[in-house]
Amino acid sequence: DGGITQSPKYLFRKEGQNVTLSCEQNLNHDAMYWYRQDPGQGLRLIYYSQIVNDFQKGDIAEGYSVSREKKESFPLTVTSAQKNPTAFYLCASKRRQGLDWGYNEQFFGPGTRLTVL
Amino acid sequence: AQKVTQAQTEISVVEKEDVTLDCVYETRDTTYYLFWYKQPPSGELVFLIRRNSFDEQNEISGRYSWNFQKSTSSFNFTITASQVVDSAVYFCALSEAPGANSKLTFGKGITLSVRP
Repeated sequence: DGGITQSPKYLFRKEGQNVTLSCEQNLNHDAMYWYRQDPGQGLRLIYYSQIVNDFQKGDIAEGYSVSREKKESFPLTVTSAQKNPTAFYLCASKRRQGLDWGYNEQFFGPGTRLTVL
Repeated sequence: AQKVTQAQTEISVVEKEDVTLDCVYETRDTTYYLFWYKQPPSGELVFLIRRNSFDEQNEISGRYSWNFQKSTSSFNFTITASQVVDSAVYFCALSEAPGANSKLTFGKGITLSVRP
């Protein structure tokens, strides 16, 4: 079955450490997204990528980095520069239909819950 | 800048009651898309419906219905005869359109609790 996998499900990090969250999709989608979810805050966009080897900052990119070397993979690194990284992280992807991407829904992975100790 | 407001933060109902989740949006675009997602306790967001700005027809899918009104910039979601399995966080979202840079802007979500 096609879908999005995120690993690990739970991640614990010590202050000052970088950690990388994995996101893999086998839906053959062009676009991929990373969101952060905090209680009562909804989802906020961290980074997104529309094509391999290209990505753009979202609304809260500071302290995060990404890469898009393969179409199916979009890992997110939470660096030590991120002051408050404890949150639930969701990865999503979306296919391209004609020239209008806006109409297509995003498909979401199960999420990674990151806790800083 | 686009914005989505879900003024209700938490709603609690008894099973079989009807419940309406409100969504108000702001955008300068004439073409845009609206979405509703459900987030059950497992955490993964599940797509429920999308609507484009040119289609104000209401939609019904089983116990779910959606009312889109451009005049009031609202896209409300009604669950009829609610069930315990409807307990979840519900998000309304808005997408700029068209084009490759379209992104989703989410509201803060509404936590719905359905009690038996």
